[in-house]
Amino acid sequence: DGGITQSPKYLFRKEGQNVTLSCEQNLNHDAMYWYRQDPGQGLRLIYYSQIVNDFQKGDIAEGYSVSREKKESFPLTVTSAQKNPTAFYLCASLEAGRTGELFFGEGSRLTVL
Amino acid sequence: RKEVEQDPGPFNVPEGATVAFNCTYSNSASQSFFWYRQDCRKEPKLLMSVYSSGNEDGRFTAQLNRASQYISLLIRDSKLSDSATYLCVVSFNQAGTALIFGKGTTLSVSS
Repeated sequence: DGGITQSPKYLFRKEGQNVTLSCEQNLNHDAMYWYRQDPGQGLRLIYYSQIVNDFQKGDIAEGYSVSREKKESFPLTVTSAQKNPTAFYLCASLEAGRTGELFFGEGSRLTVL
Repeated sequence: RKEVEQDPGPFNVPEGATVAFNCTYSNSASQSFFWYRQDCRKEPKLLMSVYSSGNEDGRFTAQLNRASQYISLLIRDSKLSDSATYLCVVSFNQAGTALIFGKGTTLSVSS
């Protein structure tokens, strides 16, 4: 079945460490997104990519980095510069021409100790 | 600032009840509108798009009022399985790439 796979599902990290969250899709979608969700908050866009080898900052890109070397993959690195990294991270993809119909992965829950 | 506002609830209703959620948006140039459903600690999933003429999908009806800049979701004959958080989502461009999520309205249906 086609879908989006995020890993790991749960991750614990010490302060000062970088961590990379994986996102892989086999839906053949061009556009991919990373969102962050905090309790009681809406989803906030971190980065997005509409095509391979290109990506754009979202509303809260500071302290994060991404790459898009392959169409299927859009990993997110949470760097030590991110002041408050504990959150639920969601990766999504969008089929060309299907406005607003995001397909989400199951999410990665990051806790900084 | 582009904002999407929702009443967070929670809305606590008995099975069989009809419940309605509203969502207001601040940017009159908004292009497309959606309702997503998110179960506790899970990913959001598209529930339905919202069309200008209004649209219905079984027990769910979505309406758009561009003049007043709000969209609504009506759920009839609530089921226990409808318990979730409902996210209002607005797109500010035709490509649908600039999506703004509301914080969500939580619904709890009890027997």
